Amino acid sequence: GAGVSQSPSNKVTEKGKDVELRCDPISGHTALYWYRQSLGQGLEFLIYFQGNSAPDKSGLPSDRFSAERTGGSVSTLTIQRTQQEDSAVYLCASTRDSNQPQHFGDGTRLSIL
Amino acid sequence: GENVEQHPSTLSVQEGDSAVIKCTYSDSASNYFPWYKQELGKRPQLIIDIRSNVGEKKDQRIAVTLNKTAKHFSLHITETQPEDSAVYFCAAFMDSNYQLIWGAGTKLIIKP
Repeated sequence: GAGVSQSPSNKVTEKGKDVELRCDPISGHTALYWYRQSLGQGLEFLIYFQGNSAPDKSGLPSDRFSAERTGGSVSTLTIQRTQQEDSAVYLCASTRDSNQPQHFGDGTRLSIL
Repeated sequence: GENVEQHPSTLSVQEGDSAVIKCTYSDSASNYFPWYKQELGKRPQLIIDIRSNVGEKKDQRIAVTLNKTAKHFSLHITETQPEDSAVYFCAAFMDSNYQLIWGAGTKLIIKP
C-alpha cells in the first residue's frame, strides 16, 4: 500500500499475556520508529531501526519490551507479561532517511484488562 | 538530555483569528523542524517543516518561522477554521542520534 500499515488496529488482552504488534512501513523507507502514546499525551519514543544498523533501543521502558525488523522491512514490537500501564496507542512511523518527514501508521490501540 | 519545550499546552482562539504555537529546542546542531497535526483518534500528520538554512516557510494559511540564534521556532495559522481544531506537535531533529525530539503538544480549540 501507499502508507504505513499497522496491525491489529485494536488489541484487548489480559494482564500477563504477551502481545505482538506489527508495522509494515512504506516501501523503500529505510528508517522505522516505534512510539507509544498514552491518552491525551505526547509521543514517547521506544525504538529506532535504520537499515542494517543495530537498532537504538534507548526508549524501551523495560526488558518486557522488544522489537525486531526482518529483512529491513516489516517490524514487530513484542510486549511480554503485559501490565495495565502498557495500555496505550502504539504508533509506527517510517521515513526515507532519518532527517526526512516521518509517516505514521494508524496505530494499534492496546488495552490490558 | 536534549529536549523541546512547546507552549502553550492549550490554545483557544475565535474562528477567523490567528493562532501561534512556539517551541524552543536545546541542541544547537538541530537542523530539521517538522510540525504535525493530530486529530482526535487519528495518526499524526505532517503539515509543514523547515530546515535550518531558511528562516521562514509558508503554505497557504500555515507558516513556520525559525530563529536559530535563539533556538526557537513557531507555527502560525491564519484565518483559523473549525477543522484546524487538533493537537499540534513540534519536533527537532538531532544529528547525534538521528531522532526527532518531540514537544509535548498544543491542543488548539477553534471557537465558532
